[in-house]
Amino acid sequence: NAGVTQTPKFRVLKTGQSMTLLCAQDMNHEYMYWYRQDPGMGLRLIHYSVGEGTTAKGEVPDGYNVSRLKKQNFLLGLESAAPSQTSVYFCASSTLWGPKNIQYFGAGTRLSVL
Amino acid sequence: AQKVTQAQTEISVVEKEDVTLDCVYETRDTTYYLFWYKQPPSGELVFLIRRNSFDEQNEISGRYSWNFQKSTSSFNFTITASQVVDSAVYFCALSEGIQGAQKLVFGQGTRLTINP
Repeated sequence: NAGVTQTPKFRVLKTGQSMTLLCAQDMNHEYMYWYRQDPGMGLRLIHYSVGEGTTAKGEVPDGYNVSRLKKQNFLLGLESAAPSQTSVYFCASSTLWGPKNIQYFGAGTRLSVL
Repeated sequence: AQKVTQAQTEISVVEKEDVTLDCVYETRDTTYYLFWYKQPPSGELVFLIRRNSFDEQNEISGRYSWNFQKSTSSFNFTITASQVVDSAVYFCALSEGIQGAQKLVFGQGTRLTINP
């Protein structure tokens, strides 16, 4: 079972470059999420989607854009990368409505911005 | 605002010792859900347990047990007879609903090292 797959696993960018992180899930989940993980801060929600064609801002959305053109894919874009965006990015998906959801996570993408 | 605090940044024990990871949360909701996730050295997050606010029974799964105490807003995790494979970062999280979706508020994580 693939579950939630993130590509790439590692990436190094120079300041000002752009890139897109891809998240794909094969569980037919409605809800998808992007988080970033920074040392000593746990995971923080960047953007989320409640279904195909819809996206919404989370806790730390600045500097990121997202798209959900297909139900199984959720893309996270950095238009002009900054060193402050050096982090580990996690995608997650879930199927149930509301706070009792169990989110299933991908393996993460480690991004360094020089 | 919802908040989760894991005061123990790092814990190191010798194999076969019991170890408890603390989690304290803050919320104004009367109904809420709490979670524990494990992040092994390979990096992925693995779901361990979900507990709702109206079920205060302790949960045991093999060597793992969870103690939920609403009166102290705590949801602690105990590993009995720890093993090297238990070495990981463990996150406690509190759930709130947002527009039908879910926001997980994570604690800072506790890095657990089990030494042989």
